[in-house]
Amino acid sequence: AQTVTQSQPEMSVQEAETVTLSCTYDTSESNYYLFWYKQPPSRQMILVIRQEAYKQQNATENRFSVNFQKAAKSFSLKISDSQLGDTAMYFCALLNTGNQFYFGTGTSLTVIP
Amino acid sequence: KAGVTQTPRYLIKTRGQQVTLSCSPISGHRSVSWYQQTPGQGLQFLFEYFSETQRNKGNFPGRFSGRQFSNSRSEMNVSTLELGDSALYLCASSLVPGVYYEQYFGPGTRLTVT
Repeated sequence: AQTVTQSQPEMSVQEAETVTLSCTYDTSESNYYLFWYKQPPSRQMILVIRQEAYKQQNATENRFSVNFQKAAKSFSLKISDSQLGDTAMYFCALLNTGNQFYFGTGTSLTVIP
Repeated sequence: KAGVTQTPRYLIKTRGQQVTLSCSPISGHRSVSWYQQTPGQGLQFLFEYFSETQRNKGNFPGRFSGRQFSNSRSEMNVSTLELGDSALYLCASSLVPGVYYEQYFGPGTRLTVT
C-alpha cells in the first residue's frame, strides 16, 4: 500500500522569506514519481513540480525546489522569495507504476505581507 | 485553449438521492480522472477513464460509478447519497494516461448532502 503524509496542516511565512513544506511517503515500489500540487483559494489545482524517483538530482522550477531523500522516503518542497500569490493549499502526491495517484492531506500555506 | 470544465459547480442533495456530475476535458485530452476531496481525508482517487474504458478504480463503494463518452467527456454518478459523500469532486484530464503527461484539474463540483 502507498501512503503520503504531510504533518504540517498549516504554515505561514513572511513575504520574501523561504519556507519548507514537509512530505513523507511509503511505497514498496522501486519506481514511482512524486509531485507537489498547489490549490489556491479559487480551487483550481495546478502542478508545481515533479520528481522521478530514479533521478538523484533534485528538481527545481524557478523559486520552487525539492529535497528528495529516497532512502528516508522524504520529499520536501522549498519555496524561496515567497510571494503573496503563493498562498494556497499544497498537496504532496505519489504516482505508482499502476498510474494511480496518492495524495497527502495538504498543508495550508499563508504568505504574510 | 479552454481548461477543464465541471458542471454543476455547486449542488445540494438529500440523503438517498442520486447525483450525476459532468467533466469536459481540455480539447484533445483523452484521459480523465476523478477525485474526492474532503478536509479530513485530502484527495482520494475515485477512477480513471481512457478511451471510454475504466483503467483504474480507487477504494470506493459501488455507489460511485462513472463513464466516459466518445468525445472524452466523463460523468460520475453517486447513488443513494450519504452525508459522508459531501465533498469537493475534482476532475483532471491529460492527453493520455502516464506520468509524462501533466494532469490538468478542473475547478471542482461542491456537493453537499443534507
